[in-house]
Amino acid sequence: AQSVTQLGSHVSVSEGALVLLRCNYSSSVPPYLFWYVQYPNQGLQLLLKYTTGATLVKGINGFEAEFKKSETSFHLTKPSAHMSDAAEYFCAVRHSGGYQKVTFGTGTKLQVIP
Amino acid sequence: DAGVIQSPRHEVTEMGQEVTLRCKPISGHNSLFWYRQTMMRGLELLIYFNNNVPIDDSGMPEDRFSAKMPNASFSTLKIQPSEPRDSAVYFCASLGGNLDEQFFGPGTRLTVL
Repeated sequence: AQSVTQLGSHVSVSEGALVLLRCNYSSSVPPYLFWYVQYPNQGLQLLLKYTTGATLVKGINGFEAEFKKSETSFHLTKPSAHMSDAAEYFCAVRHSGGYQKVTFGTGTKLQVIP
Repeated sequence: DAGVIQSPRHEVTEMGQEVTLRCKPISGHNSLFWYRQTMMRGLELLIYFNNNVPIDDSGMPEDRFSAKMPNASFSTLKIQPSEPRDSAVYFCASLGGNLDEQFFGPGTRLTVL
């Protein structure tokens, strides 16, 4: 079975500081990995994804994540936080085969302090 | 593209009433997912369809919940009878073509009094 664990349900950073949101996955087959962002009263929006190829993937709004198979991790980073980054972030994993079900983590709420 | 469309955006009803949530997936997408989001349980997959056929409904909480997809452009999630513990935000998402990620609708916020 596939699963994801997000460490820290709440993370606070100062504006301009590094953002690091942690995600570890468990999958018996090569995974597809995703980060989604949810702004208040909105649906989830894809930030970035890893399927195959380059392990460092870049997404929207300056975010990036690195797939590390040896560590079973897919942490999300951004060099400099902006106030508009305040939102909830979800890591998700899906089998690379035809099975389309995605397992989401419990989410991390990011607070950006001015 | 209009994205995934859900209606209504907000629904307030009384316990015991029937509730029907609606979803129109992105045109051309052949998979559709229904999720429920609450503070206590986070984001839960209720059911998903592929080519209008239910593939996995193991997340449907109980017989009070039912979902249908009569055609490729429309799906419903029905709760009958509704209970206060069904209060949540319900999301619909679709996936299709050679894309790997799901596209989410804006959600329906359901309040059962």
